[in-house]
Amino acid sequence: GQQVMQIPQYQHVQEGEDFTTYCNSSTTLSNIQWYKQRPGGHPVFLIQLVKSGEVKKQKRLTFQFGEAKKNSSLHITATQTTDVGTYFCAGQYSGGSNYKLTFGKGTLLTVNP
Amino acid sequence: DAGITQSPRHKVTETGTPVTLRCHQTENHRYMYWYRQDPGHGLRLIHYSYGVKDTDKGEVSDGYSVSRSKTEDFLLTLESATSSQTSVYFCAISPESNYGYTFGSGTRLTVV
Repeated sequence: GQQVMQIPQYQHVQEGEDFTTYCNSSTTLSNIQWYKQRPGGHPVFLIQLVKSGEVKKQKRLTFQFGEAKKNSSLHITATQTTDVGTYFCAGQYSGGSNYKLTFGKGTLLTVNP
Repeated sequence: DAGITQSPRHKVTETGTPVTLRCHQTENHRYMYWYRQDPGHGLRLIHYSYGVKDTDKGEVSDGYSVSRSKTEDFLLTLESATSSQTSVYFCAISPESNYGYTFGSGTRLTVV
């Protein structure tokens, strides 16, 4: 089946350091979405990328979609303690049923103040 | 998020008993989904719905059934709960299949 691989599984940083998580699919994606889940909370939608090579920014967060639409990354500049949580990518595939997202297993980010 | 509620928030049940979890939305979204979240497995799709009485299986549907008789309600039933179904269950909604999802606050289910 289609899988979205996400690395790293865990990342611990000092406050102020940068953070990046990567997602990779073996097949071309129709689009990719990113979610954040705070400890004890539920996933919250951050953004969707659709176009090849697309780059979007939200304050200190930068999201990229690869040229081949098989990989994506989320980069956080100068992390803060409020960035703590698990970041998930989720991909949709072209063809067949496009109702379903395939989630990566997430990257748990912890920030040392 | 406002607009989607799950009930109950917590439940402890015994092996072999039936359990129904409810997801209620006030957004009039067409698509509704049930996921389970377990350590090391991330979010896995159980069942989803693309309209009233239109449902389909996800990747981990064995032991689960769903019903959607109204746009606003999507029910997940464990016919005979097993310990392997101990998990956190999330409902999600979206207006179209290629839009971002809004998740409910989750139901923590423990089967003893």
